[in-house]
Amino acid sequence: KQEVTQIPAALSVPEGENLVLNCSFTDSAIYNLQWFRQDPGKGLTSLLLIQSSQREQTSGRLNASLDKSSGRSTLYIAASQPGDSATYLCAGDAGGTSYGKLTFGQGTILTVHP
Amino acid sequence: EAGVAQSPRYKIIEKRQSVAFWCNPISGHATLYWYQQILGQGPKLLIQFQNNGVVDDSQLPKDRFSAERLKGVDSTLKIQPAKLEDSAVYLCASSLTAGTYRYTFGSGTRLTVV
Repeated sequence: KQEVTQIPAALSVPEGENLVLNCSFTDSAIYNLQWFRQDPGKGLTSLLLIQSSQREQTSGRLNASLDKSSGRSTLYIAASQPGDSATYLCAGDAGGTSYGKLTFGQGTILTVHP
Repeated sequence: EAGVAQSPRYKIIEKRQSVAFWCNPISGHATLYWYQQILGQGPKLLIQFQNNGVVDDSQLPKDRFSAERLKGVDSTLKIQPAKLEDSAVYLCASSLTAGTYRYTFGSGTRLTVV
């Protein structure tokens, strides 16, 4: 059974810092990996998708990478801002008949203070 | 484009009562998902529909939970009877098909069982 661990569970940083969130899977056979953002009382918003043939994705100040050999992913946030405060979740699927069946980590709660 | 609509936003019931949640996905999205998110945890997939057929319900507690997607559009998730451990946010998500990996999540229904 696939399990996903996110480290740290919570992170509080001053505005402007660069930070790294980590995600690891017990089964490294990850086909696609996504990072989501969840704001209080809201649904999930997809930030970055790393598909099977890819190893890295970038969007603005966000960069996500996936090391399939180790089953580890990192989300890098550059020059953090208070608006980045949210819970960040990683999720993966195993492809094949598991298309769309995402297994989520428990999330990292990020607080960026001015 | 309208988002995924869910109702109600909040529900408080006593244990052993029944409750139903409703989801209206994005128009044209064939795949619909119900996730359960317990406080402090990542979402867990309960059931996945492709049009009006069930693709995966392996993690749905079928003795008390049921779901349907009549006509391949709206979906209803029911719990009967509810237990204290069912307290969670129930998230609905949709995607064009299971292989597109572009999910849109609703804001969820927060259920409290007392």
